[in-house]
Amino acid sequence: GDSVTQTEGLVTLTKGLPVMLNCTYQTTYSPFLFWYVQHLNEAPKLLLKSSTDNKRTEHQGFYATLHKSSSSFHLQKSSVQLSDSALYFCALKPGSFNKLTFGAGTRLAVCP
Amino acid sequence: NSKVIQTPRYLVKGQGQKAKMRCIPEKGHPVVFWYQQNKNNEFKFLINFQNQEVLQQIDMTEKRFSAECPSNSPCSLEIQSSEAGDSALYLCASSLRGQNTEVFFGKGTRLTVV
Repeated sequence: GDSVTQTEGLVTLTKGLPVMLNCTYQTTYSPFLFWYVQHLNEAPKLLLKSSTDNKRTEHQGFYATLHKSSSSFHLQKSSVQLSDSALYFCALKPGSFNKLTFGAGTRLAVCP
Repeated sequence: NSKVIQTPRYLVKGQGQKAKMRCIPEKGHPVVFWYQQNKNNEFKFLINFQNQEVLQQIDMTEKRFSAECPSNSPCSLEIQSSEAGDSALYLCASSLRGQNTEVFFGKGTRLTVV
C-alpha cells in the first residue's frame, strides 16, 4: 500500500541554522506530495506541494524538491526562526485518489 | 485562518457513552475527510465523502464509528460507545476534487474518554 516515512521524530536547532526534514514515500501511482505544518492547538496548514519531478517549490522560506528517482520530498530551510517551532508532516496523494496519507511527523524545536 | 469549522472543540465522555462531533466544510468544497490524530500526533484516515457519498473508509469493523455528510447540514462523526482508546484529536478537512488540490483542515475536536 501507499506509505510515507519521516525518519526524525524530533529535531532541535538553534535559531539561524539550516534544517532538512526527511520524507520518502512509496506508491505505485503517480504521486502528489505535500508538506503540512501544525502549530500547537492549531489546524494543520499547507506549506508546500508538488507533483513535478526535479522542480524546487518554495513558500515562506521553506523549499522542497520532488525526486521521483529516490521517492523523496525533503523539506529544507536555510535559516530557522523561533516561529518555525511546530510539527511538520509530509503527506502523499497517490494517483487520482483523494485521500492524503501522512507520515508520522517531525517536531521541530528552535531554540534562541 | 481555517474556514473548516469543527464543533465542539473539546468533548469529554465516559466509557460507553456516545460521542458526536460536527464539521462545516469550506464553502464550495465537495470532498470532506475525517482523520484521527493520536497522542503521538500520528494521523489515521477514517473516512471521506464526495458530496453525500462515501468515497473511501477504513474497515470500521467494530461499527462503533459512523459518519455522514447530509446536504445542507453539517457533516458529523459519531462514536456509538466510546472507549479509552478513542481519546484523540478528530480532524475534519475539506477540498475541491482533484489530486493537486489543497486539503484544508479544521482545528479539530479533542475527545477525552474517561
